[in-house]
Amino acid sequence: QVQLQESGPGLVKPSETLSLNCTVSGGSISGYYWTWFRQPPGKGLEWIGYVYYTGNTNYNPSLKSRVTIYIDTSKNQFSLKLNSVTAADTAVYYCARDSPDYGDYVIGYWGQGTLVTVSS
Amino acid sequence: DIQMTQSPSSLSASIGDRVTITCRAGQRISTYLNWYQQKPGKAPKLLIYYASNLHNGVPSRFSGSGSGTDFTLTISSLQPEDFAIYYCQQSYSTPPTFGPGTKVDIK
Repeated sequence: QVQLQESGPGLVKPSETLSLNCTVSGGSISGYYWTWFRQPPGKGLEWIGYVYYTGNTNYNPSLKSRVTIYIDTSKNQFSLKLNSVTAADTAVYYCARDSPDYGDYVIGYWGQGTLVTVSS
Repeated sequence: DIQMTQSPSSLSASIGDRVTITCRAGQRISTYLNWYQQKPGKAPKLLIYYASNLHNGVPSRFSGSGSGTDFTLTISSLQPEDFAIYYCQQSYSTPPTFGPGTKVDIK
């Protein structure tokens, strides 16, 4: 069974870069779209973007200028960088994987989520 | 972006009740509509994909229907473990977008 685990700092200062890793276990990283979502406290879900196992990426236009998602297949890991953060970027960040049998953007596997707070 | 709305935003129900949640898309999305359940402090879980297909392991009391712009999630007989927030999500176009959620709590 595929498992995903986010890791990274829980506190980031305004204007700095948020960096998170997601480690994949129990399955191959090849052949799938690896995705980041976020959820501000008490609010709904937002798609940040994905990286395909080949390295191809696609980002939410609302965040595109600040986001980079990349993959390290040798480590079974993919990562998120979000620069120039503000308090509005405070959220629980989830890494996730698609379920290709179900079509694009259908997410069958989620990490547990990690809260990142932007504050000085 | 395709805007998704849900109604009601919250509801109170009793064990055994039939519960229906509605989701509306801002444009036609065929059946590219998915439903997720989220409990406090947990990640969302996929319930239904392509509007009406039950994800592996999801109890048969959950069902989905609809196409175009209007969709419903039905829980035929509410169980204690079903108290949660339910989100619809369109997977028709990029970026995928979610509804604001419907909170189901105990009456």
